[in-house]
Amino acid sequence: ETGVTQTPRHLVMGMTNKKSLKCEQHLGHNAMYWYKQSAKKPLELMFVYNFKEQTENNSVPSRFSPECPNSSHLFLHLHTLQPEDSALYLCASSLTTTGGTEAFFGQGTRLTVV
Amino acid sequence: QKEVEQDPGPLSVPEGAIVSLNCTYSNSAFQYFMWYRQYSRKGPELLMYTYSSGNKEDGRFTAQVDKSSKYISLFIRDSQPSDSATYLCAMSAVQGAQKLVFGQGTRLTINP
Repeated sequence: ETGVTQTPRHLVMGMTNKKSLKCEQHLGHNAMYWYKQSAKKPLELMFVYNFKEQTENNSVPSRFSPECPNSSHLFLHLHTLQPEDSALYLCASSLTTTGGTEAFFGQGTRLTVV
Repeated sequence: QKEVEQDPGPLSVPEGAIVSLNCTYSNSAFQYFMWYRQYSRKGPELLMYTYSSGNKEDGRFTAQVDKSSKYISLFIRDSQPSDSATYLCAMSAVQGAQKLVFGQGTRLTINP
């Protein structure tokens, strides 16, 4: 396994469901990120973790709940989502939040809320 | 006003053409500039990275930064169908990935 791996690749969920997105990185990085990518909009940073500690929450609604049990794994727990939350959710990692500038991205989870 | 402006396209050019992709920005503190390439159903991957002003060349790709005009460009020479993707500019005022600001992305198609 190499790089940043996200599962599932596709997810359809009802507004009352609870689901989780998983991200795993095999790069030895210490910073991990969740981004939201919607059509015709720039990538939106949601959460940042550095050495397992959350360092940024970009005013994300509480129906999105991140979890970072260690530097290699990142989860995004979803509950009572809205149709406008349908988007591509991308996980990324970097060496640390301040060391190196390159962010390595996973392939994303395409989420559809019905 | 958006911090980073990028024409979303779509942009369609014939194979072999020179492609010019551009972004403008409003924050004069930005000094780290990147271009990411995103193929369909994939995550973005870093293509070019430039610090401060100037040019950087890597094969068929050239990145230019003009801080006085707050304008960055990516040129693709001898474009190939495999270059068809969405190109995202990104920039930051500080080193590190936590403060990256992305453009909307330009969807590029190279026609054989």
